[in-house]
Amino acid sequence: NAGVTQTPKFRVLKTGQSMTLLCAQDMNHEYMYWYRQDPGMGLRLIHYSVGEGTTAKGEVPDGYNVSRLKKQNFLLGLESAAPSQTSVYFCASTRGPNQPQHFGDGTRLSIL
Amino acid sequence: GEDVEQSLFLSVREGDSSVINCTYTDSSSTYLYWYKQEPGAGLQLLTYIFSNMDMKQDQRLTVLLNKKDKHLSLRIADTQTGDSAIYFCAESNKAGGYNKLIFGAGTRLAVHP
Repeated sequence: NAGVTQTPKFRVLKTGQSMTLLCAQDMNHEYMYWYRQDPGMGLRLIHYSVGEGTTAKGEVPDGYNVSRLKKQNFLLGLESAAPSQTSVYFCASTRGPNQPQHFGDGTRLSIL
Repeated sequence: GEDVEQSLFLSVREGDSSVINCTYTDSSSTYLYWYKQEPGAGLQLLTYIFSNMDMKQDQRLTVLLNKKDKHLSLRIADTQTGDSAIYFCAESNKAGGYNKLIFGAGTRLAVHP
């Protein structure tokens, strides 16, 4: 049982490049989330999804897009990467609201 | 407003108890969580407590909740070197029309011999 799997684990981009981070969960969870973690701060919610085909904005959505075409996958896209998006990105999933969230191991992204 | 605060560092001797404190602002939070993050890893759920409970014990972990003061604590008995990590407190929140977790900045626990 893999739980929540994030790919890639590391990536270095140049300013203006685009990329997609993939999150996959095998627990049949309805809710999925994308967070970013910056030094000295807790996790901040970027976007989330309450089910297949749905997405919604979180606390810091600007510069990111997401898609949930399949229940098990939640994609985070950066259309034009900026140095301010250098961060560690975490995906999480949960069965429903107020249920404990299960996290992936993170993607460390550096924008030069 | 929504805010979760924790002290940034805690240093304890191996074998002693560790107490990590957290304060939150949203009195309507239904669940409060403790997560552990080891270097290079994601967040691992340690334990959580429902807001109508005062205490929850799970092996070496004891969670105390003071709803009046909006104060949450995590006590780790017989702290070991493997407990060295960052511990995040989080509250569930429904502000803005959706369920979300609000995280503190994390407390780095260092365990020394």
